[in-house]
Amino acid sequence: EAGVTQFPSHSVIEKGQTVTLRCDPISGHDNLYWYRRVMGKEIKFLLHFVKESKQDESGMPNNRFLAERTGGTYSTLKVQPAELEDSGVYFCASSLGGPGAGETQYFGPGTRLLVL
Amino acid sequence: GDSVTQMEGPVTLSEEAFLTINCTYTATGYPSLFWYVQYPGEGLQLLLKATKADDKGSNKGFEATYRKETTSFHLEKGSVQVSDSAVYFCALRLNTGNQFYFGTGTSLTVIP
Repeated sequence: EAGVTQFPSHSVIEKGQTVTLRCDPISGHDNLYWYRRVMGKEIKFLLHFVKESKQDESGMPNNRFLAERTGGTYSTLKVQPAELEDSGVYFCASSLGGPGAGETQYFGPGTRLLVL
Repeated sequence: GDSVTQMEGPVTLSEEAFLTINCTYTATGYPSLFWYVQYPGEGLQLLLKATKADDKGSNKGFEATYRKETTSFHLEKGSVQVSDSAVYFCALRLNTGNQFYFGTGTSLTVIP
């Protein structure tokens, strides 16, 4: 069974440009999460989808970030326009059930974003 | 607020040495506690977890005990191997919430 995959693995862009990150969860997993790790700091929650609906987006830093999950399968996270402080590693995770059911979240390898 | 504080790295040990990575937490209610590991080039993998006080999680020779009195979940292994070299993240999840709270990660390098 394929795990969570993320694309691209690395992205280097200039300040002001747009970048779109993609996450493909494990097949059949309704729950999809985005997290971010800024250099040297903790991994922070961004948002949680249940199928195509945003269950919790309390961690999204500002309106330059837009996450979508059309059709409830893969998800994209767009940053527009990118700022220097957006640099970091963006992780995606998926789980079969929700957190209340004690479900394990399976993480992808992350996308390393560098904004110059 | 809810948070996790873990020992800063990097940590370098010789093979077969004893490992401890400290983790303490602050949380409302009764969280579940986790250790995740990230090997080079891979995603985070669940290493072990504990869902209530005094539970001990264990996997691959690693252990951690949920200590409510000290709000700690320290990771230990009696004899590390070169293959244990990775970044280790302590995390908590509130039983009523949707998200994890992670520590900053501790990089471990084991040398032969």
